[in-house]
Amino acid sequence: AQSVAQPEDQVNVAEGNPLTVKCTYSVSGNPYLFWYVQYPNRGLQFLLKYITGDNLVKGSYGFEAEFNKSQTSFHLKKPSALVSDSALYFCAVRGAGNTPLVFGKGTRLSVIA
Amino acid sequence: EAGVTQSPTHLIKTRGQQATLRCSPISGHTSVYWYQQALGLGLQFLLWYDEGEERNRGNFPPRFSGRQFPNYSSELNVNALELEDSALYLCASSLATGALSFGPGTRLTVT
Repeated sequence: AQSVAQPEDQVNVAEGNPLTVKCTYSVSGNPYLFWYVQYPNRGLQFLLKYITGDNLVKGSYGFEAEFNKSQTSFHLKKPSALVSDSALYFCAVRGAGNTPLVFGKGTRLSVIA
Repeated sequence: EAGVTQSPTHLIKTRGQQATLRCSPISGHTSVYWYQQALGLGLQFLLWYDEGEERNRGNFPPRFSGRQFPNYSSELNVNALELEDSALYLCASSLATGALSFGPGTRLTVT
């Protein structure tokens, strides 16, 4: 069965600094990897996905993620954090076939002005 | 295009009652997914429907059930409500294996 680990419950970063939100996964076969963001009292918004191809994936709002097959990781990054990036971030993975999208427990990002 | 819609926004029930939550997918999307987001537990997969059929089910008791209608909208039913069923229930839709688009959720409170 597939699984996702987000080892940090909370990440704090100063505005203007680079940010990284970590994610590792376990899945049989090739992974389909996703990042979502959730703002207070809102549903989840899609940020980016990796299906195949270039290991560096660019997404919405200046976010990017790097797929590392050997380390089974898919860390979310942004070169310069904004206060408005403060939210709850979820990593998710799906395997092949009729397997559902499985989410991590989420990492709360706090960007401090 | 209109996004995924869910109703009601909030639902308050008493332990032992039944709750019905509704979801309308994005037009053209045939797959509907239900997730439970309880405090501190992230998103737990509940059910996946595609073309009217149940494709997969998460590790939840049988009192959690649902269905998908011919117009691809979906209904989640929770019978014999328990206090721990209090959570945000999120519906999502997608095309085939694409990214999921989520609705705003239904906040279920069981007292």
